[in-house]
Formats: sequence, structure tokens, C-alpha cells
Amino acid sequence: QKEVEQNSGPLSVPEGAIASLNCTYSDRGSQSFFWYRQYSGKSPELIMSIYSNGDKEDGRFTAQLNKASQYVSLLIRDSQPSDSATYLCAVNTLPNTGFQKLVFGTGTRLLVSP
Amino acid sequence: EAQVTQNPRYLITVTGKKLTVTCSQNMNHEYMSWYRQDPGLGLRQIYYSMNVEVTDKGDVPEGYKVSRKEKRNFPLILESPSPNQTSLYFCASSFSQVYTGELFFGEGSRLTVL
Repeated sequence: QKEVEQNSGPLSVPEGAIASLNCTYSDRGSQSFFWYRQYSGKSPELIMSIYSNGDKEDGRFTAQLNKASQYVSLLIRDSQPSDSATYLCAVNTLPNTGFQKLVFGTGTRLLVSP
Repeated sequence: EAQVTQNPRYLITVTGKKLTVTCSQNMNHEYMSWYRQDPGLGLRQIYYSMNVEVTDKGDVPEGYKVSRKEKRNFPLILESPSPNQTSLYFCASSFSQVYTGELFFGEGSRLTVL
């Protein structure tokens, strides 16, 4: 079982729609969760972090965390063509080293059509 | 401007010819890390450094070396590159050992080993 799993997509949505991206993780002790956006040929960019159960909103982005079910999601409202990118879910686990280890999913490709 | 700078951005080399990819950050960050990104495998951590003189292996350290003699610099060394090290490499940094999930990434270095 992969530590962090995402559907690779592509997820296709029309402009103006809500895009819903999902991620599940295996380490029940994980405490912090992140969404990165990566445009083709570019480096990942942090767009959201969430540390407690529930929703966290930032502009058109909402991160949702459910630790009991071990999933985290990202909603993008009023999707724009410029949102077309790969979205990486990342989870901080706590292996035996005692230092947190950030594990990335393989990403979901989002395509927003005009 | 706050940034993580990697050099070279593109490199084609031959098997066995030692090379170094430099990484420098100007944000006074404590934590630095190297990742490689391969299709279908996502971002995998090679090495990380919690602070100066403290480094440790990530998930795929074989064939790589690092050093952290200064806070701002974290070079990645390939002593004897092999074709399976052909990949896209990212250096990343974070201001805190605690918040290691909130990473700033460099622009990436695309390495081809023939």
C-alpha cells in the first residue's frame, strides 16, 4: 500500500465548475497535510496546508481533512484554465527517526477547459 | 527576492563522470532537502538536512552524496553517475525543522546520463 495515494487523472472540468481532488494516506499518526500545484515543466508550489480536521478556505481553494477516514481533499471553486496543472498531495509522517518525513503522492492532473 | 537556486538547470553527461548540482537558498532556512521526480513515481526524497552539519538519508540515497557546511548551501554530488540517475531533481528548503512540509522548491535540474 502506498503511503499517499491519488488518482492520476486527468480530471477534466469545464471552466467555472468545482474541481474536487482527493488523497488518502496510510499513516494514521500523520498530523500535517499539504497541497502543492505543479505546472508542466515547473517546480511544485505550496498552495494549501491543513493541520486539523475540517475545512480550511483560502480564496477559491478549500482543503478538507478527515483524519478518521484518512483522507484529505482539495476543492477548487470557479475553476479557470490557468488552474490546469498537476496537484500533489503531501503528508507528514513520523517514522522511527523521530523527524517528520514528508511523503508525496504521485499527483492528479487537472484539465480545465474553456 | 526569496528563492532557492539550483545549477545547472540542464545537464547531459556520461556514465561515471562525477558531477555536482548546487543548491543555494537566501531565506535563512534551517531545513533543506533533495528530491528526484520520475514519471509514475512522483517526488522521492534523496537526502535531507535538518541544519548545518546534520544530514540524513531519504528514500533513495544510493549513488548520491550531500554536504551541508553552510546554512544556505546544500550541494548534491553524483560520484559516478549511471543512466538510472537520469531524472528531474529538485532542491527544497523550509524555515523550520517542525514545519518541514511547507517547502520552497528550486526550479529543478534536468539531468541526463548517457
